[in-house]
Amino acid sequence: AQSVAQPEDQVNVAEGNPLTVKCTYSVSGNPYLFWYVQYPNRGLQFLLKYITGDNLVKGSYGFEAEFNKSQTSFHLKKPSALVSDSALYFCAASSGNTPLVFGKGTRLSVIA
Amino acid sequence: DTAVSQTPKYLVTQMGNDKSIKCEQNLGHDTMYWYKQDSKKFLKIMFSYNNKELIINETVPNRFSPKSPDKAHLNLHINSLELGDSAVYFCASSPYTSGGPGGQYFGPGTRLTVT
Repeated sequence: AQSVAQPEDQVNVAEGNPLTVKCTYSVSGNPYLFWYVQYPNRGLQFLLKYITGDNLVKGSYGFEAEFNKSQTSFHLKKPSALVSDSALYFCAASSGNTPLVFGKGTRLSVIA
Repeated sequence: DTAVSQTPKYLVTQMGNDKSIKCEQNLGHDTMYWYKQDSKKFLKIMFSYNNKELIINETVPNRFSPKSPDKAHLNLHINSLELGDSAVYFCASSPYTSGGPGGQYFGPGTRLTVT
């Protein structure tokens, strides 16, 4: 069965510092990987995706993620965090012909 | 223009009632989904429709019945509401069946509270 793990419930980072939100996946075959962000009382917004090609994927709002096949990871990163980045972040994975499976979410808190 | 819209945004009702949530997408996507997000923010797929045909039906009580009158609409009807049905329900659409490479576009959510 497919699964996505986000090992941290909460990540705290000071404004201006780099941030990392971790994600590992278990998918049969080649994975399609996604990051979504959810602001309070809002729906999920697409941030970025990895389908194929370059392992470093750049997305919206200055976020990027690195696909690591050997470690089955797809960590979300940003070089300099903003207070406005504070939100709930979801990693999701699919093998392409299976439903998208979401991680449990990581709450990012950026402190001024 | 709103890509995926849901109505109502908030729904408060009593146990035992029947209620519906509507979803519409104007993206021209063939596939639509319903997700349930519980109080711990865990997101789980409930149903998926591709071009009006049911393709995913996860372990959901049969009190929940999706209906797709056309590929732009996927409504969720819930009979005999229970306290445990309280959650935020998200509609989503995708250009691809199942996961696909395109990702999914989510609606703003409907917060259902059963008292």
